Amino acid sequence: GAVVSQHPSWVICKSGTSVKIECRSLDFQATTMFWYRQFPKQSLMLMATSNEGSKATYEQGVEKDKFLINHASLTLSTLTVTSAHPEDSSFYICSAPSGSMNTEAFFGQGTRLTVV
Amino acid sequence: AQKVTQAQTEISVVEKEDVTLDCVYETRDTTYYLFWYKQPPSGELVFLIRRNSFDEQNEISGRYSWNFQKSTSSFNFTITASQVVDSAVYFCALSEGGYSTLTFGKGTMLLVSP
Repeated sequence: GAVVSQHPSWVICKSGTSVKIECRSLDFQATTMFWYRQFPKQSLMLMATSNEGSKATYEQGVEKDKFLINHASLTLSTLTVTSAHPEDSSFYICSAPSGSMNTEAFFGQGTRLTVV
Repeated sequence: AQKVTQAQTEISVVEKEDVTLDCVYETRDTTYYLFWYKQPPSGELVFLIRRNSFDEQNEISGRYSWNFQKSTSSFNFTITASQVVDSAVYFCALSEGGYSTLTFGKGTMLLVSP
């Protein structure tokens, strides 16, 4: 089956620094990828849709200047959390559609971000 | 707008018991997909099943079975003879039309004790 690889699995950073998270589709091309965020003991909420060759679209309430998304190629999307603060500590997970009519949903392993 | 409701926040069972996780969804689309994922403590999402709106056949996979009923907008998940390794958070999710994004329920934490 299709594989989505996310890196790093976890990261601890100091408040005010930036962190980059990578999401790669390993054996298929993904013109679209999705970024979700999950706070502790909460559900997954869509943050943004990453589009290869064009700007990302953000869900309401998500700051586009804080969460920079770059879809550099058909197999790579990156999420950069800029000037991270403790409230940004969360589990970030990416997803890429695949299969016929893009009806399959494959997820990366997720990245646990802790801002201290 | 689509919505997924998992009314059970937490369920505790003893090993070998059967357990059913409920999922009720709302959508205006006639074409949609329903998913179940397992999230163990490590965090990754483990895909369990995808069902499209035109296929109401129930499915069984080993100890897992799913009951899809459009009449009640439900897609319930049953684990037979539960095991400790089944302990995890289980999410039901909905995708409208062709795959776009998933709307997740709040999840049900299943704790299976020996």
